[in-house]
Amino acid sequence: SYELTQPSSVSVSPGQTARITCSGAVLAQKYGRWLQQKPGQAPVLIIFKDDERPSDISERFSGSSSGTTVTLTISGAQAEDEADYYCYSATDNNLVFGGGTKLTVL
Amino acid sequence: QLQLEQSGPGQVRPSETLSLTCRVSGGSVSSASYYWAWIRQAPGKGLEWIATIHHTGATQYSPSLRSRVMLSVDTSKHQFTLKLTSVRATDTATYFCAGYQLPTSFRPDSWGQGTLVTVSS
Repeated sequence: SYELTQPSSVSVSPGQTARITCSGAVLAQKYGRWLQQKPGQAPVLIIFKDDERPSDISERFSGSSSGTTVTLTISGAQAEDEADYYCYSATDNNLVFGGGTKLTVL
Repeated sequence: QLQLEQSGPGQVRPSETLSLTCRVSGGSVSSASYYWAWIRQAPGKGLEWIATIHHTGATQYSPSLRSRVMLSVDTSKHQFTLKLTSVRATDTATYFCAGYQLPTSFRPDSWGQGTLVTVSS
C-alpha cells in the first residue's frame, strides 16, 4: 500500500484540462512533488515544493496544494502528455509515494 | 544543475549482493541540505523508497528492506552507494538514485537515469 493516494487512471480529451489529485496526511506538513514517467523512461520531475516548476518544464503543468491534498493540473492536454504520474513527498525519515496515475489523452 | 549518474551491473545472481553507485555532479554530495536516496520500481509497478543517506552518514531505511540494505557515501569521489544483500527474484527492478533538499526545496530534486537489475542465475 502507498502512503499517498492517487486515482489509478484519468482520461482527458486533447486540448482540455486534466487534474490529478494526491492525498495523504504528510502533505499537511511537507511539500508535494510530481513525476512524469513515460514507458521505458526514467521519471522526470515536473513539480516540486507543491507548485514550483523546473525551468525546463512546460507552463502547461501546474501544481497546487490545499490541506492534505496536492493537485497536478495539465492545461491544454496533448498526446505527448500521456504517461504515468506519481506524487511523492520527503519527510525527515523517508520518501513517500503515491501509487501512480495513468493519464490517457483521447 | 545537479546531475546524478548511476553505474553498476544489470544482472545479479540469487543470494548475491547487488551494488549500485550514483555519482553527483553540478553540486556537492557534502551539501548540508541535500539527502541522497535510492528508489526502485519493479516491472509494471509503482515507485518504492529503499533508503536515504546524508553526507554525515545518517541513514534511514525502509522497514521492509532494512535487514538487507546498506548505504554509504564517499565525499572524495562525489558518490553514494547502495548494497542490497541476499537478493532474490523479487528484487528484480529498475533502481533509481535521487537527491533532494530538506527541510525545504530551493532547487528541484534530481533523479538518476535508472538501472535495470535482473536477479537471475
